[in-house]
Parts: sequence; structure tokens; C-alpha cells
Amino acid sequence: AQSVTQLGSHVSVSEGALVLLRCNYSSSVPPYLFWYVQYPNQGLQLLLKYTSAATLVKGINGFEAEFKKSETSFHLTKPSAHMSDAAEYFCAVRVYGGATNKLIFGTGTLLAVQP
Amino acid sequence: ETGVTQTPRHLVMGMTNKKSLKCEQHLGHNAMYWYKQSAKKPLELMFVYSLEERVENNSVPSRFSPECPNSSHLFLHLHTLQPEDSALYLCASSQELNQPQHFGDGTRLSIL
Repeated sequence: AQSVTQLGSHVSVSEGALVLLRCNYSSSVPPYLFWYVQYPNQGLQLLLKYTSAATLVKGINGFEAEFKKSETSFHLTKPSAHMSDAAEYFCAVRVYGGATNKLIFGTGTLLAVQP
Repeated sequence: ETGVTQTPRHLVMGMTNKKSLKCEQHLGHNAMYWYKQSAKKPLELMFVYSLEERVENNSVPSRFSPECPNSSHLFLHLHTLQPEDSALYLCASSQELNQPQHFGDGTRLSIL
């Protein structure tokens, strides 16, 4: 069975500081991995996805994530946090096989950005 | 503007009421999804439709009844709900089943 674990339900950084949100996955097959962001009172927006091409994936809003098979990780980073980055971030893995495009989500990490 | 519109944005209902949630996508997608988002729990997939046919029913109680009359519209009919059903219900769509999903802003449901 595939799963993702997000370490840290709350992360707080200062504006301009590095953002690092952690995600570890469990999968017996090469995974498809995603990061989504949810702003208050909104749905989820796709930030980036890994689909077995380049291991360093660039997304929107200056975010990127690196797939590390040896560490079973897919951590999300941004060099310099902006106040507008305050939101909840979800890591997800696509369930392998079948025809339903089922995503398994982590429990989310709430990012706070301090001025 | 995500291209996926959910109405209403907020709904308060009693346990004996019957109501429906509506989702409409303007993206020309062929697959649509219902998710439940509860506090402190991962997003839970409820139903998946592809070309108006249900392809997944993820062990959802029968008090939730989905309907997909065409590829642009998805409904979730609610009846005799329980307090634990209070949550944010998110609709999503994708071009095909193996494509990334685009989410609406959700309906915040509160059961009294």
C-alpha cells in the first residue's frame, strides 16, 4: 500500500527565510508524487508533481521539490518565504494501478510566515 | 478562479434534512471527484466519476448519494446526515483519470 507522511503539522518561518516542508512516502513501485497548497477558505491548488522524469521538480510560486529515492522523501522547499505563502500544504501520492486516479494525501502542514 | 465551481459555499442543515451539493467544471474535463476534508484528518476520496460513470465508491455511507448527469456537473445528495459528517466537501476534476486534479473551493457543511 502507498502512503505519505508529513513531518510537522505546523511550521513557522520568518519572511525571507528558507521554507522546508517534509514529506516521506511509502511505495513498492515508483511513485507519482504531488504537492498541493490550500489557502484559507479555498480548495487545493497543485504546486508541482513528480512523475519519474527529473528528480528536481519546479513548481509555481518559486517552490520546488526533490525526489530522493534513497531517503523515500519528496520535501518541498522555497529559498525565501513571502507572507503570501502562509497556507496549508499537502503532500500526496497517486495509488498505483487501477483506473481511478486515487490520491492518498498526508495530514497537511500549516505554514506560518512571520514578518 | 479555478474553473471548478461549488455551491453553496456554506450549508447548515439538521440531521433530518435533505440537501444537495453542486459542482460544475468549466474545463472540459472528463473525470470528477468528491472529497471530504475533516479537521486533523487527511483528505478522504469519496467518489470518482469518469465520463459520467462511477468508477470508485470509497466505502461511503449510503446517506451520501452522488449523481453525475453529464461530464460538467457533479452532485452530492445528502440525507439523514450525522454530526460527524460536518466537514469541508471538495470537488475536483481532471482531463482524464491519469491527469492532475483541479479543485473547487469547497462547501463547508455543518450538521446540527
